[in-house]
Amino acid sequence: QVQLKETGPDLVQLTQTLSITCTVSGCSLTTYNVHWVRQPPGKGLEWMGAMWNGGGTDYNSAFKSRLSISRDTSKSQVFLRMNSLQTDDTAKYFCARESILYHFDYWGQGVIVTVSS
Amino acid sequence: DVQMTQSPSNLAASPGESVSINCKASKSISKYLAWYQQKPGKANKLLIYSGSTLQSGTPSRFSGSGSGTDFTLTIRNLEPEDFGLYYCQQHNEYPPTFGAGTKLELK
Repeated sequence: QVQLKETGPDLVQLTQTLSITCTVSGCSLTTYNVHWVRQPPGKGLEWMGAMWNGGGTDYNSAFKSRLSISRDTSKSQVFLRMNSLQTDDTAKYFCARESILYHFDYWGQGVIVTVSS
Repeated sequence: DVQMTQSPSNLAASPGESVSINCKASKSISKYLAWYQQKPGKANKLLIYSGSTLQSGTPSRFSGSGSGTDFTLTIRNLEPEDFGLYYCQQHNEYPPTFGAGTKLELK
């Protein structure tokens, strides 16, 4: 069955770079788009960006040039990398598979990242 | 970007009751609204998409309605496992945007 699993650090220092890996099983990255969504503590969900099945990417303008998404299709992994972290980047970070038309039928359980000064 | 306003923020109910959660878009999104359930320690679950289409595995006590800017998620005959957080998300246009969530609690 389809599964997504995020792995990454629990703690990142202020102004440093966050790297999270989403490992996807049960479907192909060349068929499905994979997105990143985050959720600050006690708050709602925020779309961050996408890795398209064709290899292109797109990003929420809110993250400007801080965010980078890439993939390794041979390992079925999608990577999130975000630099210049601030305390308000403390959040749970999810990867999710897009079904059709920008809704998400499978999600990872998320990884909680705390930005510490 | 399309802004999604979800209400109420909190809702208390008892098993067996019916509840409704509303979601309003800042502009017309046709029928393209999804509903998700979020519970601690579990992956977010897609319940409904395109306004009223139940995702495979979603119990029939869940239903979605609406079009344009106003949508409703209704849960009939609440079961204990239905308590948790619910989010709406418009999937009519890019980028996808979410409501702020509704916490459904046991009364």
